[in-house]
Amino acid sequence: EPEVTQTPSHQVTQMGQEVILRCVPISNHLYFYWYRQILGQKVEFLVSFYNNEISEKSEIFDDQFSVERPDGSNFTLKIRSTKLEDSAMYFCASRLYRGNEAFFGQGTRLTVV
Amino acid sequence: QKEVEQNSGPLSVPEGAIASLNCTYSDRGSQSFFWYRQYSGKSPELIMSIYSNGDKEDGRFTAQLNKASQYVSLLIRDSQPSDSATYLCAVNKVNFGNEKLTFGTGTRLTIIP
Repeated sequence: EPEVTQTPSHQVTQMGQEVILRCVPISNHLYFYWYRQILGQKVEFLVSFYNNEISEKSEIFDDQFSVERPDGSNFTLKIRSTKLEDSAMYFCASRLYRGNEAFFGQGTRLTVV
Repeated sequence: QKEVEQNSGPLSVPEGAIASLNCTYSDRGSQSFFWYRQYSGKSPELIMSIYSNGDKEDGRFTAQLNKASQYVSLLIRDSQPSDSATYLCAVNKVNFGNEKLTFGTGTRLTIIP
């Protein structure tokens, strides 16, 4: 069964360092997303991506964040200069059509120390 | 008013009984509704989608949608200990043609053997 895969599963980084979280969406899907979940809180939307450009981004997705689909299969989230409050689970999701089911990867737990 | 509202629980249900989970949403224009199951430390796993008023059944799960009341529910029949998890209600929110999932805080369900 096709699935969204994310690497790494856990990343520990020092404050101020850059991190890149990687995702391989389901192969025929067209819409891609990053969400995050701070421990004990709800899943929050970060950014949506379609047709090689950002469709929408949340207030959380400031200038420190960027996304890229460099090669037609990978979808990456970069945080340029991490802060302690960036510590969270980051989930990549993809969907085939607008409005239908979105499937989530297993997540990357980011810990900023 | 929260965009997607769920009772956080915990909700305790005896094994074999029916578990009933509820969700209300604020955006009348929402068209797609989803239930995800999330085990502790894991990613959201899609269990049901519903797009039109009424009931939709899939195995032991039934989703119910009432757009007039802005209400979505999930029934789990013959509850099993493996159903113990947090259940997330997600509503597809459309904004100027862009869409994203907005999640509730989740209801923690415990099935008592």
